[in-house]
Amino acid sequence: SQTIHQWPATLVQPVGSPLSLECTVEGTSNPNLYWYRQAAGRGLQLLFYSVGIGQISSEVPQNLSASRPQDRQFILSSKKLLLSDSGFYLCAWSVSRSEAFFGQGTRLTVV
Amino acid sequence: GENVEQHPSTLSVQEGDSAVIKCTYSDSASNYFPWYKQELGKRPQLIIDIRSNVGEKKDQRIAVTLNKTAKHFSLHITETQPEDSAVYFCAASSRSFQKLVFGTGTRLLVSP
Repeated sequence: SQTIHQWPATLVQPVGSPLSLECTVEGTSNPNLYWYRQAAGRGLQLLFYSVGIGQISSEVPQNLSASRPQDRQFILSSKKLLLSDSGFYLCAWSVSRSEAFFGQGTRLTVV
Repeated sequence: GENVEQHPSTLSVQEGDSAVIKCTYSDSASNYFPWYKQELGKRPQLIIDIRSNVGEKKDQRIAVTLNKTAKHFSLHITETQPEDSAVYFCAASSRSFQKLVFGTGTRLLVSP
């Protein structure tokens, strides 16, 4: 069966520090991969999505970037975190004509 | 690109009442409309979905309706229970399912 792993679950980082969140999917090939951010009490904002290795689409301008070095690996990065980057980050995957499955999420607090 | 609007942002009902959440979408090419439930601190999970070739779908106490002409779809929960309390998100996706765009969420509170 398919599973999605996202880590870490929680993270506290100082302003200006780098960020790397990793997400891997097992049990499926060539999934669509997504990074969403959820601010406290807010909706799910699509940050990036990828339909294949090296193919990244950015939805909002920001100081975050995403990479897909392998078919089932999706990485969210930042060179210098801002206070406004705090939130709940969710990785998700889907295949054609099916639902999206979410990882457990990473709660990032920038201090 | 696709834009999904969701109303209301909060909804309070008494146990046993019905709850209705409405969403509109902008991209007429969208043809997949899932609904997710997110409990506090947890990941969103699919509760029901509908595709554009169907006008209504029901699963026990939950039903979803779709009006393609008006580009809106709704979630109906009947006989609500306290455990239905959560945040509900609608979403829309294009034909290729390459981009799933979510609404802003509805916080449903069911009081005993």
